[in-house]
Amino acid sequence: DSGVTQTPKHLITATGQRVTLRCSPRSGDLSVYWYQQSLDQGLQFLIQYYNGEERAKGNILERFSAQQFPDLHSELNLSSLELGDSALYFCASSRTSGASYNEQFFGPGTRLTVL
Amino acid sequence: EDQVTQSPEALRLQEGESSSLNCSYTVSGLRGLFWYRQDPGKGPEFLFTLYSAGEEKEKERLKATLTKKESFLHITAPKPEDSATYLCAVPIISNFGNEKLTFGTGTRLTIIP
Repeated sequence: DSGVTQTPKHLITATGQRVTLRCSPRSGDLSVYWYQQSLDQGLQFLIQYYNGEERAKGNILERFSAQQFPDLHSELNLSSLELGDSALYFCASSRTSGASYNEQFFGPGTRLTVL
Repeated sequence: EDQVTQSPEALRLQEGESSSLNCSYTVSGLRGLFWYRQDPGKGPEFLFTLYSAGEEKEKERLKATLTKKESFLHITAPKPEDSATYLCAVPIISNFGNEKLTFGTGTRLTIIP
């Protein structure tokens, strides 16, 4: 158990819909990262938040957005869903420092299926 | 272009047959190389961090080593429970100018009893 929690575990929805994925980081971690993993793309970085502010961005679609709340939990919002958005979505957290890049600890993931 | 490449894509070993997985990278100013293990449908599990060429880390049957161009994950006398996909990752400056952890495509390891 990494200490990172994600809900829900599974989500089945229809094209055009909007969903929200939730993540709670490990105790004491200020950074939260979101990743998408599909069979043909591997593990792709979406976005990072540090202590409530956006810190880094990957190839995140404009239909996707995220935020980190004062209690440090984070939500990833996916809207106007398409079939191709079906994937595993992982959240990770780390203790970010400036001198070195710290290891990230991953949650169990949310499996999104868009029908 | 900064990138990380893993080989082989898949590896099948008999139980007890030792081998090595490779992760090669082209990054200027390496700020860490990370190894993860991932079981199907589960989140990646952190294994090792390596920061400097010559550094080695060990955990049970696994040993990770680092040179200036690549890292190896050596697995000694593996057991069926070592079957998983092994991922390596390095921080790379993205097109947006920020640093992101970039993963290789992984090596799918199968240990046959």
